[in-house]
Amino acid sequence: RKEVEQDPGPFNVPEGATVAFNCTYSNSASQSFFWYRQDCRKEPKLLMSVYSSGNEDGRFTAQLNRASQYISLLIRDSKLSDSATYLCVVTASNYQLIWGAGTKLIIKP
Amino acid sequence: SQTIHQWPATLVQPVGSPLSLECTVEGTSNPNLYWYRQAAGRGLQLLFYSVGIGQISSEVPQNLSASRPQDRQFILSSKKLLLSDSGFYLCAWRGNGEQFFGPGTRLTVL
Repeated sequence: RKEVEQDPGPFNVPEGATVAFNCTYSNSASQSFFWYRQDCRKEPKLLMSVYSSGNEDGRFTAQLNRASQYISLLIRDSKLSDSATYLCVVTASNYQLIWGAGTKLIIKP
Repeated sequence: SQTIHQWPATLVQPVGSPLSLECTVEGTSNPNLYWYRQAAGRGLQLLFYSVGIGQISSEVPQNLSASRPQDRQFILSSKKLLLSDSGFYLCAWRGNGEQFFGPGTRLTVL
C-alpha cells in the first residue's frame, strides 16, 4: 500500500460544478496535512493546510478524518482557472513530508 | 519574506556528463532544505534533505549527491548523468510544517 494515495484522474467537470478529492494515508502518527496545487510545468504551491476541525477558504473546503485516515478537498462553483493537479501531502516525521501522486482536474466551459 | 531561487530553469545534458544544480534561500536562517525530482506525469520523489550546513540525508540510493556548503545554499550534483535522471528538479524549504518550492529546473538527458 502506498503511503499516500490519490485517485490519479483526470477529473473532467463542467464549469460551476462541485468537485471532491479524497486522499488516504497509511501513517497513523502523521500530524500535519496539506493540499497543494500544481499547474502544468510549474512548482507546487500551497493551497491550504488541513485542520482537525476542518477548514474553509472561499470556495475550498478541506476536511480530515483521522479514524479513517483520509483527507478531502471540496471545490465549489469550479472555475476554468481551477484546472490543475491537486496534491495531497502528509507529514512522516519532523523533517519529511510524503506526497501523493496528485489528481488532475480539468474544468470545461 | 522568504524567497527561494533555483537555476538554471532548463537544462539539456548528454548522458555521462556532470550536473550541478544550485538552490539558494533568502529571508530565513537555518532552514530545512529539500531536493525533489518529479518525472513526467508523476508525483514528487524526495532525493535529499538537509537540516543544517554539511548535514545531508539521502532518501534514494542513486548516482546523485547533495551538498550544503552554506546555511542557505543547497547543491545537487552528479558525476555522470543517466537517461533516467531526466525530470523536473525542485528545491524546497520548510516553514511551519508546510513546504515552499523554488521554480524548478527541467532537466533533459539525451
